[in-house]
Amino acid sequence: KQEVTQIPAALSVPEGENLVLNCSFTDSAIYNLQWFRQDPGKGLTSLLLIQSSQREQTSGRLNASLDKSSGRSTLYIAASQPGDSATYLCAVEGTYKYIFGTGTRLKVLA
Amino acid sequence: DTAVSQTPKYLVTQMGNDKSIKCEQNLGHDTMYWYKQDSKKFLKIMFSYNNKELIINETVPNRFSPKSPDKAHLNLHINSLELGDSAVYFCASSQEVGPEAFFGQGTRLTVV
Repeated sequence: KQEVTQIPAALSVPEGENLVLNCSFTDSAIYNLQWFRQDPGKGLTSLLLIQSSQREQTSGRLNASLDKSSGRSTLYIAASQPGDSATYLCAVEGTYKYIFGTGTRLKVLA
Repeated sequence: DTAVSQTPKYLVTQMGNDKSIKCEQNLGHDTMYWYKQDSKKFLKIMFSYNNKELIINETVPNRFSPKSPDKAHLNLHINSLELGDSAVYFCASSQEVGPEAFFGQGTRLTVV
């Protein structure tokens, strides 16, 4: 049974820092891995999708990597801003379902 | 244009009532899902449909009955609501496998 874990559960950093969020999964048989952002009381916004054959994806200040064999993904956020404050979720795609991690609650202090 | 839209956004109802949540996607996707986000913010799959056919029912009580009248719609009907059903319910869609999933804004259900 696939299990997805995110570390740390919560993170508070001063503005401008570079930071890394971690996601690990127990079964490497995945179709893709997707990172989402969720603001309080809101839906999920897709940030980056890494297909199983890819190693990384970049969008602006965000970079996500995927190492299927070790069951790990990292989301790197460069030059963090207060507007980055949110919960970040990773999800791995199995057969007809996405299995979510436990989330990292990020707070960037001005 | 909203890609995945759910209605209503908020739903407050008494225990024992029956309620429905509607979901529509305009992305032409084949697969739709219902997820439940509990009070600890953990997102868990409830159902997935592919081309209107139920593919996954993740041990959800049979008080929950999804219905897909066509590929663009997946509605969720809940009978005899219980306090423990209070949560945020998210609808999502994707192509069959591989490409990214898109989520609706969620329906916050409160059972009193």
